[in-house]
Amino acid sequence: NAGVTQTPKFRILKIGQSMTLQCAQDMNHNYMYWYRQDPGMGLKLIYYSVGAGITDKGEVPNGYNVSRSTTEDFPLRLELAAPSQTSVYFCASSYWGQRTDTQYFGPGTRLTVL
Amino acid sequence: ELKVEQNPLFLSMQEGKNYTIYCNYSTTSDRLYWYRQDPGKSLESLFVLLSNGAVKQEGRLMASLDTKARLSTLHITAAVHDLSATYFCAVDPQGSNYQLIWGAGTKLIIKP
Repeated sequence: NAGVTQTPKFRILKIGQSMTLQCAQDMNHNYMYWYRQDPGMGLKLIYYSVGAGITDKGEVPNGYNVSRSTTEDFPLRLELAAPSQTSVYFCASSYWGQRTDTQYFGPGTRLTVL
Repeated sequence: ELKVEQNPLFLSMQEGKNYTIYCNYSTTSDRLYWYRQDPGKSLESLFVLLSNGAVKQEGRLMASLDTKARLSTLHITAAVHDLSATYFCAVDPQGSNYQLIWGAGTKLIIKP
């Protein structure tokens, strides 16, 4: 299993540009998440999904959009990029079928908006 | 407001010493997690603590949970350089639909 994969690894955007961060998992997990991590900080939840076709906002959703048309894929769309969106973005997935389940993280996408 | 507070946020220590990282949280929680993040890398799950008094150990790391005090500790025994990383705790608030609340992380540097 590849686990959780993310592309691209790095990206530089100009203010006002848009892009999509890709995330895929091959573990048949029902839950998927997008987080951002600012330097020296913990993770903040942007959006999450409990299954295909179902998404919901997290703590910091403004400026982002998501969709989940399949169990495997959960892309994050940035519209009109702003410097405040400079961050490292992590995608995660989980099954939550047992109490000991946990979240599995992708390698991250480092985004800079100039 | 749901809060998870870790302290210290930064810790520099010598190899061979013992130390404890603390994680306080402000809400009733079903589960508490500890994760490790190496510089420039992703997060890796270390422990899941489910109930009051739970203790988990892996090598030189031991995590415990006191749900009455809303406190978890991560104890490092006889630290070695390879344990240098940032350690995060996260809680799963009751009824949160698995939206974890994360601490800010403790950056641990272990000097040879």
